[in-house]
Amino acid sequence: GAVVSQHPSWVICKSGTSVKIECRSLDFQATTMFWYRQFPKQSLMLMATSNEGSKATYEQGVEKDKFLINHASLTLSTLTVTSAHPEDSSFYICSASRRLAETTDTQYFGPGTRLTVL
Amino acid sequence: DAKTTQPTSMDCAEGRAANLPCNHSTISGNEYVYWYRQIHSQGPQYIIHGLKNNETNEMASLIITEDRKSSTLILPHATLRDTAVYYCLGSARQLTFGSGTQLTVLP
Repeated sequence: GAVVSQHPSWVICKSGTSVKIECRSLDFQATTMFWYRQFPKQSLMLMATSNEGSKATYEQGVEKDKFLINHASLTLSTLTVTSAHPEDSSFYICSASRRLAETTDTQYFGPGTRLTVL
Repeated sequence: DAKTTQPTSMDCAEGRAANLPCNHSTISGNEYVYWYRQIHSQGPQYIIHGLKNNETNEMASLIITEDRKSSTLILPHATLRDTAVYYCLGSARQLTFGSGTQLTVLP
């Protein structure tokens, strides 16, 4: 149980185009979904927190108009990188929170999406 | 979120137990200790979490000190596939990733 998928697993696009990444919790309903970015040889950096049916909360320094997040259902969140530029090339990872028996939510991560902007 | 401190890297012989320490002296009473690992170019994999009691699952054991200021993740019989970056996090909701420990299992 607790499987999270991402699509696509990798994408190459031209500068100025937009790219949409999907994140799905396959076998559970997620209370919250998170989006991270990871540059080579660095740790994961939280970009935004997303709850179904409400606006995402972005971390400081993350442009909400550039990284559009839509959380349409308890199992699906999408991240759209608008007008992508080479500096947006990175590994994007989502996670979904699952409430277990105790009083804490555990995050389960997707496999990640490698974005390369030419 | 609690600030955590982990060694940068560790080696372990295949088949031996790997003991990965983590210091989380600023952890608050309602924050759980979480452990994840990330194999190169993949998303982090959940391993285990605990509040104050020791925990064990099919992947690992988690030993938390009585004062909750530190913990140790134990992989009882390390294999080559356990080579990864291991992250220890203190969190009540939001995860803040540090640099983690690069564990290399040697044949």
